[in-house]
This record gives sequence, structure tokens and C-alpha cells, in this order.
Amino acid sequence: GAGVSQSPSNKVTEKGKDVELRCDPISGHTALYWYRQRLGQGLEFLIYFQGNSAPDKSGLPSDRFSAERTGESVSTLTIQRTQQEDSAVYLCASSLVHAIYEQYFGPGTRLTVT
Amino acid sequence: DAKTTQPTSMDCAEGRAANLPCNHSTISGNEYVYWYRQIHSQGPQYIIHGLKNNETNEMASLIITEDRKSSTLILPHATLRDTAVYYCIVRAREHTNAGKSTFGDGTTLTVKP
Repeated sequence: GAGVSQSPSNKVTEKGKDVELRCDPISGHTALYWYRQRLGQGLEFLIYFQGNSAPDKSGLPSDRFSAERTGESVSTLTIQRTQQEDSAVYLCASSLVHAIYEQYFGPGTRLTVT
Repeated sequence: DAKTTQPTSMDCAEGRAANLPCNHSTISGNEYVYWYRQIHSQGPQYIIHGLKNNETNEMASLIITEDRKSSTLILPHATLRDTAVYYCIVRAREHTNAGKSTFGDGTTLTVKP
């Protein structure tokens, strides 16, 4: 079946511009996560959505970062006024609520801020 | 979440078993050990998880010491396609915490012909 998809796969933007990254989770997965991975580093948790509950935003690095999710489907991660340190791969993952440990990851969006 | 320590890199000959260690001496009673791997330019892939008993699935085996302070991921017959970064993370299973783990730097496993 279809896995987690993300778009765009690559995004190059100028410093100061806003970007939107999209994640389509696996159908039926109520939990959705965003992570950031800088070059050569591990994953850094950003935000977590679970059903209709308020999202856990504790990992967002600044107020320039925000995310939304429409019901239990698509999510968008928005970065306003991008900075060069925002350059990274942004990964989305989803899971069934009762199998929260078995996260399925998308291929990621590589963001480059010039 | 408990902190984990893994070697930075390991090599393994193709066809041999790859044994990847992980130390998690501060693990608490409700925390599970999870292993993921990330092949270059792809998203992480779930491999296996366990609480205190050894676990086996079609991908790997997980051996957890009796005191739960360390574990070993075993790939019984490594292939070149198993070359990846392997992450050991420890976290509670409850969904309120599940997504908040930060994957560390992991172990880069290189399988050589």
C-alpha cells in the first residue's frame, strides 16, 4: 500500500522567504510527527499530532515554525522568514495510535536556504 | 527519555552476523528499546523493539540484558543493502511521549563484500 509521502522532495529558497512542506500520512494513521535532520546528525523532534488532540509543539525551535493538520490526513509544516540554519531534511512520520512505536517515515524534504 | 550510547561506526563482512551494541544505563521501567535504521537519502525504517525479553522478527533479533542497561541488535546474515545508520532509542510507549524522542547520531554500519 501507499506509504508516507512528502512534497516537495527538494526545496531551495532564499533567506527570508517562507516555505511550506507537505506530508501525506498513511491512511488510517492518526498520529503524525515532524522531525528535522541536519547533515550528518540524528533526528530532532519538532511536533506531534494525535487525532483531534492539541498538538505537542514542544520541539519547535522558534516561533517561525508552525504546523497544521487537517483532521487525520495531510499536514503542512511552515517555516517563516527562513534562515540558513533551517537548511536540513524535514522528515514526516505516521503511526497507528495503538502502535505508536512503529513509525513509518516519508522520504523527507531537503530544504536548502541560500 | 533515557540517553543511549552507540559506537560511531562498525564494519561487517557480507554474509556474517552484524552485532550492534547500545548502552542505555538510565533506562526506566516503562521504557522500551527501539531500533530504526536509515539508509542513505531515505527516511528512517523501524526494525524492532523490546521491553525486557529478547525479540526476533524477519529483519533482526534484539537481545536485552537482564538489567536492561544495554542491548544488541543482531542482523544474522548482513547484506550490502544493510549498510545504513542504525539508531537505538529508548522511550516510553505511551503516545504522549512516543514522538518526542530525538534520534541520536547512531552507528554507521558498513557491510563489505
